[in-house]
Amino acid sequence: AQKVTQAQTEISVVEKEDVTLDCVYETRDTTYYLFWYKQPPSGELVFLIRRNSFDEQNEISGRYSWNFQKSTSSFNFTITASQVVDSAVYFCALKNSGGSNYKLTFGKGTLLTVNP
Amino acid sequence: KAGVTQTPRYLIKTRGQQVTLSCSPISGHRSVSWYQQTPGQGLQFLFEYFSETQRNKGNFPGRFSGRQFSNSRSEMNVSTLELGDSALYLCASSGGRNTGELFFGEGSRLTVL
Repeated sequence: AQKVTQAQTEISVVEKEDVTLDCVYETRDTTYYLFWYKQPPSGELVFLIRRNSFDEQNEISGRYSWNFQKSTSSFNFTITASQVVDSAVYFCALKNSGGSNYKLTFGKGTLLTVNP
Repeated sequence: KAGVTQTPRYLIKTRGQQVTLSCSPISGHRSVSWYQQTPGQGLQFLFEYFSETQRNKGNFPGRFSGRQFSNSRSEMNVSTLELGDSALYLCASSGGRNTGELFFGEGSRLTVL
């Protein structure tokens, strides 16, 4: 069975602080995808990143960076110099490579509040 | 291009009633799925449709059903509503490549009294 754990239920930071959102996953599959989605107050989930299990290279996109470590089954997400607009719920998700496009296993989410 | 559109955005029902939610995917997307989001259970997969056929179903009772039309629009129906059905119901569409990148609507927030 697949499982995604986001241990941090809520995080509150002050603008311009760096913040890291943790994600730990469990799967028996050797090939899988990991994702991060952002859910702003409007409700829709917005795709941020997909990482293939064979690609452990870290990725940086502007103020966002992701650290994928298979050895610890973790896929952590760091926001550098956080801004108020980063306030949202962030979900980590897992999908095996052969399954349906939609059967993602989501973590419970981390509510990030960035205060001015 | 227009995103995923869900209607209605908010609705209130009473126990025992039924509800129908609608989803229009991104133009050209033929796959649609539904998720239920609650504070306690988080995001849970309901079902997936492709070309009017249900391809996958999550672990929900038969009161939850859905369908997809020839124009890829989808509806989900919940009959005999229970208090526990109060949730945000999210629809997602995909362009077909099995990458897991989904495009979500803003959801329909159902409150059951």
